[in-house]
Amino acid sequence: EAQVTQNPRYLITVTGKKLTVTCSQNMNHEYMSWYRQDPGLGLRQIYYSMNVEVTDKGDVPEGYKVSRKEKRNFPLILESPSPNQTSLYFCASSLGRPGNYGYTFGSGTRLTVV
Amino acid sequence: AQKITQTQPGMFVQEKEAVTLDCTYDTSDPSYGLFWYKQPSSGEMIFLIYQGSYDQQNATEGRYSLNFQKARKSANLVISASQLGDSAMYFCAMRDLSGGYNKLIFGAGTRLAVHP
Repeated sequence: EAQVTQNPRYLITVTGKKLTVTCSQNMNHEYMSWYRQDPGLGLRQIYYSMNVEVTDKGDVPEGYKVSRKEKRNFPLILESPSPNQTSLYFCASSLGRPGNYGYTFGSGTRLTVV
Repeated sequence: AQKITQTQPGMFVQEKEAVTLDCTYDTSDPSYGLFWYKQPSSGEMIFLIYQGSYDQQNATEGRYSLNFQKARKSANLVISASQLGDSAMYFCAMRDLSGGYNKLIFGAGTRLAVHP
């Protein structure tokens, strides 16, 4: 089944403890992206990647890192999480340019930082 | 810069009736695309429908249709014959080419409740 797999689905952590949210897609998509969803704000892009080793900042990149060493994987790293990073996170991939093809989304990761 | 606006934080509709969810956008690009996604309470994002700015006809997908009014810059989602399973959050999204990257930007969403 074609899908984007994120793990974990739920995560509660403490301020300052480094964490990684994994994302993997099995559709050979070149484009991948991370979004965060907050009430009243919709989805905002954190980072995106157009291909292996090509990543760039989205609209809200502060406090996050990403890497794209393989086409299928695009992990999101929070080096020192803070409570304002409590949010619902989505990984997404696209067959082509996302604005033309749209995204296939993962199931989401609900992160709470205390 | 491109912008997507969903002015209805919440809507409710009786089962079997039709409902329209509003979406307005602002862009200076002559070519653009508009998407609608559904997010049920389980949290995943499900693609519903797409409309290209040059498409001659309004997009339809089963019970979903898009009321696309280019001059008014609106792309409202119409759900016909609402079902209880339609209760969800709905997001409108648009292509954004600012910054030299082709991406999607999203509205704040509309929460739809379908009542029996």
